Amino acid sequence: GENVEQHPSTLSVQEGDSAVIKCTYSDSASNYFPWYKQELGKGPQLIIDIRSNVGEKKDQRIAVTLNKTAKHFSLHITETQPEDSAVYFCAASIIQGAQKLVFGQGTRLTINP
Amino acid sequence: SQTIHQWPATLVQPVGSPLSLECTVEGTSNPNLYWYRQAAGRGLQLLFYSVGIGQISSEVPQNLSASRPQDRQFILSSKKLLLSDSGFYLCAWRGSYYGYTFGSGTRLTVV
Repeated sequence: GENVEQHPSTLSVQEGDSAVIKCTYSDSASNYFPWYKQELGKGPQLIIDIRSNVGEKKDQRIAVTLNKTAKHFSLHITETQPEDSAVYFCAASIIQGAQKLVFGQGTRLTINP
Repeated sequence: SQTIHQWPATLVQPVGSPLSLECTVEGTSNPNLYWYRQAAGRGLQLLFYSVGIGQISSEVPQNLSASRPQDRQFILSSKKLLLSDSGFYLCAWRGSYYGYTFGSGTRLTVV
């Protein structure tokens, strides 16, 4: 089955700097890669996703890149703000049938003012 | 618009007691439904998923079971809770789009 590894487990950056979180996946058949943000005591929220037919996707300060050959994808947050502090999860799945998302272990991002 | 409701928000139960967590989705039909568990400071583990009424697939052998008695209702149950069942339980649904929408979660503490 699919296995997703996520690094780093914790990340601390100064406000205004950029943050990068990286994930690798094992199943070459996976073709959908979402990123979720989880604030304390809440359910995860989808912030951006990418399909395998696209190499990069951007939404304001957030971007995701995908390298299918190397089987890794990354989340980039620019001009970080205090409200970006949260736990971020990457995930991978195959878009068919039950489409079971397999999640990484999460990255606790702290933005220092 | 679609919404997902999950309750209760918090629950403290003694070891050996039964469990019933409920999740309902509004504004969509025939969604895929999922139960995940999140241990403290860890990732999300898929427990059960359902692609239709009465159709339940289990991902991890455990002390829990799931049922889908109606199209937009998903229930997580246990006959006798163990200490290791403590965690943050999340229900999610997927409609026509690929992304999941998660509920607000239930924090279960077994004492």
